[in-house]
Amino acid sequence: GAVVSQHPSRVICKSGTSVKIECRSLDFQATTMFWYRQFPKQSLMLMATSNEGSKATYEQGVEKDKFLINHASLTLSTLTVTSAHPEDSSFYICSASAVGGFGKLFFGSGTQLSVL
Amino acid sequence: QQQVKQSPQSLIVQKGGISIINCAYENTAFDYFPWYQQFPGKGPALLIAIRPDVSEKKEGRFTISFNKSAKQFSLHIMDSQPGDSATYFCAARPSEGSTLGRLYFGRGTQLTVWP
Repeated sequence: GAVVSQHPSRVICKSGTSVKIECRSLDFQATTMFWYRQFPKQSLMLMATSNEGSKATYEQGVEKDKFLINHASLTLSTLTVTSAHPEDSSFYICSASAVGGFGKLFFGSGTQLSVL
Repeated sequence: QQQVKQSPQSLIVQKGGISIINCAYENTAFDYFPWYQQFPGKGPALLIAIRPDVSEKKEGRFTISFNKSAKQFSLHIMDSQPGDSATYFCAARPSEGSTLGRLYFGRGTQLTVWP
C-alpha cells in the first residue's frame, strides 16, 4: 500500500514554543491531506483539510492561527502548532488521499506531542 | 452528532474465536466504508473496505458484512489471534458535497484477544 511518512514521531517542547510536524506521501501524489488529533482511547478528530496550493479548511472549533497548515506540494504538508500549551498535548496524525485513488486514505504513523 | 455509531466499545475474545464489531450510519450519501486497525502509538492502517453495491467482502480472516437497507456494516475477524489485539475503527465517506477522502469515524473498539 501507499506510504505516508510523518515526522517527528515524538516531540517534547516547552510551553510557548512552536512545533512543526511534517507529513510526506512517499510513493504517490496526494491531492488532499488531512490532519487529525487523537486523545487517549478516543477516536480521530478531524482538524483540517488541505489541498495542494490552497488554504486549509479548518473544522469548527479548531483555531487556524494556532494550528498552521501548509500544503506546498503534492507530497508534503506541514502542521505547525504555534505557541504550544500543555492542553495542546496530543497525538497528531496526518493522512493523504491519492490522486486517482478514489478516496483511499493512508495514514502517517502519528506524532505524540507533549508540551511541558 | 456522531455520523457513524460503533459498538461495542471494548471486546474480549478468546484465541481462535470470532470477533464481531458493528457500525451503523444514517447518511445515505455514504458510499465507501473502510475499517482501520490501530496499534498503540501508531497511525491507523487500512484493513479492509467495502462499497454499498456488495453485501460482503472477505480478505483472509477479515470479512465485512454490509446491509444497505438497515444502514449497518460489521467487521468479522475469524480465528482471532493475540496479534489482532488493537483498536478498530469503522468509517464512512460521503459521495457528494465533500472533499475527496473526508471520512467520518466511529468511536473505536478496543479488541483484546486472550491466548
